[in-house]
Amino acid sequence: DIQMTQSPSSLSASVGDRVTITCRASQSITRYLNWYQQKPGKAPKLLIYAASSLQSGVPSRFSGSGSGTDFTLTISSLQPEDFATYYCQQSYSSPRTFGQGTKVESK
Amino acid sequence: QVQLQQWGAGLLKPSETLSLTCALYGGSFSGYYWSWIRQPPGKGLEWIGEINHSGTTNYNPSLKSRVTISVDTSKNQFSLKLDSVTAADTAVYFCAKLAQWSSVWYFDLWGRGTLVTVSS
Repeated sequence: DIQMTQSPSSLSASVGDRVTITCRASQSITRYLNWYQQKPGKAPKLLIYAASSLQSGVPSRFSGSGSGTDFTLTISSLQPEDFATYYCQQSYSSPRTFGQGTKVESK
Repeated sequence: QVQLQQWGAGLLKPSETLSLTCALYGGSFSGYYWSWIRQPPGKGLEWIGEINHSGTTNYNPSLKSRVTISVDTSKNQFSLKLDSVTAADTAVYFCAKLAQWSSVWYFDLWGRGTLVTVSS
């Protein structure tokens, strides 16, 4: 199985901050990497697919980059509704696997 | 509005079979894969398996011996059965649609989730 490791596991930030979350795969997954946002008691929501493509309806402050084994999710200016847990997920091979999550909390 | 609605028993005893169903409303069933994903309380996401409209399945090897995913295209529904549950199977179970762009598959539509608790 391909292991996905996110860092940090949690972070504290303020509204307006630039936030960066990293996801590392245990082997190359080229650009087969997706990002999701999950709020408490809710289903995950797709933000980014194929490493850098913004899902329809997702604000442009969210962006993704990377290829191979190292990927980044960036929130350019954190908004109050962005406090949540973020997961990366690989679709390079089966089984599909997720990172352990990064919780973005209010400072 | 395209949505997934899911239902099934929320409380099971050890050794029983978990059974959940998910229905697609307002969209096309063919051309996609339909998945089950679970999340133990306070933990991360685990992919269980998936099926397409033709009945082709892929399962997580860690659960493969106990999992069956089936599809009923006449009703735009797919179902999950997990045999011989234990407390370790306690989780919120989500159904989700897998879409594809340029050979990359991603979960773009999710059900609201069903909490399944296994307890004697």
